[in-house]
Amino acid sequence: AQTVTQSQPEMSVQEAETVTLSCTYDTSESDYYLFWYKQPPSRQMILVIRQEAYKQQNATENRFSVNFQKAAKSFSLKISDSQLGDAAMYFCAYGAGANSKLTFGKGITLSVRP
Amino acid sequence: KAGVTQTPRYLIKTRGQQVTLSCSPISGHRSVSWYQQTPGQGLQFLFEYFSETQRNKGNFPGRFSGRQFSNSRSEMNVSTLELGDSALYLCASRLGTGNTGELFFGEGSRLTVL
Repeated sequence: AQTVTQSQPEMSVQEAETVTLSCTYDTSESDYYLFWYKQPPSRQMILVIRQEAYKQQNATENRFSVNFQKAAKSFSLKISDSQLGDAAMYFCAYGAGANSKLTFGKGITLSVRP
Repeated sequence: KAGVTQTPRYLIKTRGQQVTLSCSPISGHRSVSWYQQTPGQGLQFLFEYFSETQRNKGNFPGRFSGRQFSNSRSEMNVSTLELGDSALYLCASRLGTGNTGELFFGEGSRLTVL
């Protein structure tokens, strides 16, 4: 069975600084996707960034980028120039290619210090 | 375009009762998935419906059921409620099945079982 592990329950970053959130996963599939979702307090979950496993190039979305290490089964999220609005719970998730089910990690609560 | 709409947003039930939650996907989206979110277990996949057919099911007891209507709206039902069913129930929609398309989440229905 696929598993997703986020070992850090909480992290804190100073505004304008850079922070990296860690995630590891386990799978025997070759075709899969990895995602980072953001869930602000009492608000809906939104997709931050996604990575297709077959792509070697790391995905980037403005201030958000990933470090995808396929052999190590590691998928970390880097947030540059952190803003107060980045404070939220972040979930790492895995989805096999043809299977719509997502497997989520436990999440990490990110706080941003002004 | 309206997002994923879930009703009711909050509800309180007592043990043994049953509950029905509703989800209206984004217009044009044919796939609807349901997730249960609790502090202890995190986010867990319940089931996915596509074109009125259940495509995938998570590891939940038979008390949890769902359906999808011809307009893609979906309902999930939990019978004989237990205290452990207290959770945030999230609905998510996407255009098709698989993980090639982005998954959009609603704000959730928060169920408290007393």
